[in-house]
Amino acid sequence: GAVVSQHPSRVICKSGTSVKIECRSLDFQATTMFWYRQFPKQSLMLMATSNEGSKATYEQGVEKDKFLINHASLTLSTLTVTSAHPEDSSFYICSARNHLQAQRDTEAFFGQGTRLTVV
Amino acid sequence: GENVEQHPSTLSVQEGDSAVIKCTYSDSASNYFPWYKQELGKRPQLIIDIRSNVGEKKDQRIAVTLNKTAKHFSLHITETQPEDSAVYFCAASIRDNTDKLIFGTGTRLQVFP
Repeated sequence: GAVVSQHPSRVICKSGTSVKIECRSLDFQATTMFWYRQFPKQSLMLMATSNEGSKATYEQGVEKDKFLINHASLTLSTLTVTSAHPEDSSFYICSARNHLQAQRDTEAFFGQGTRLTVV
Repeated sequence: GENVEQHPSTLSVQEGDSAVIKCTYSDSASNYFPWYKQELGKRPQLIIDIRSNVGEKKDQRIAVTLNKTAKHFSLHITETQPEDSAVYFCAASIRDNTDKLIFGTGTRLQVFP
């Protein structure tokens, strides 16, 4: 299957600093990528949809000024957690679909996730 | 908003027994229903998916059934093995222009030898 690479896999940062997470589709192009957050023993909660060349679409309750998303190319989306606080500590996962296949009903590929710990 | 409910939240079975996990969804326009297996600290792995034009799909010990009228779908694992122990998530695609996936709440499956 297609490969989605996420970096870093783990990061520890101090409260008040910002952290950038990268999501790359390695062998396909993705006009749309998705960012999820997963707290321990909970489900994947969709945070936002990243759209290449345009603004991201955020889910209800997700602060767009805190979670900055940039999708500057067909293979890269970044999520920046600004002014991070301990409650932002979580597992962040991106996913993407191959836009050269049929746009609908195709498998979503996931990055390996980023474990963020804010101290 | 869109919602996917999943149950049970935990499921314990003896090795060799069958396991069934059920999900219901709210968006009647959803057409794609994948199931994922997630081990601790890892990314979700697709194990099987079904599209709305079929009612059932099987892949070796794993099968999924879909009832579009009732808006529910189920995962069936037969002849369970200890390595099947993990958290399983169902998901449904939301029919906006992005086809984003909304996940169920998850089922922790434990298979005892």
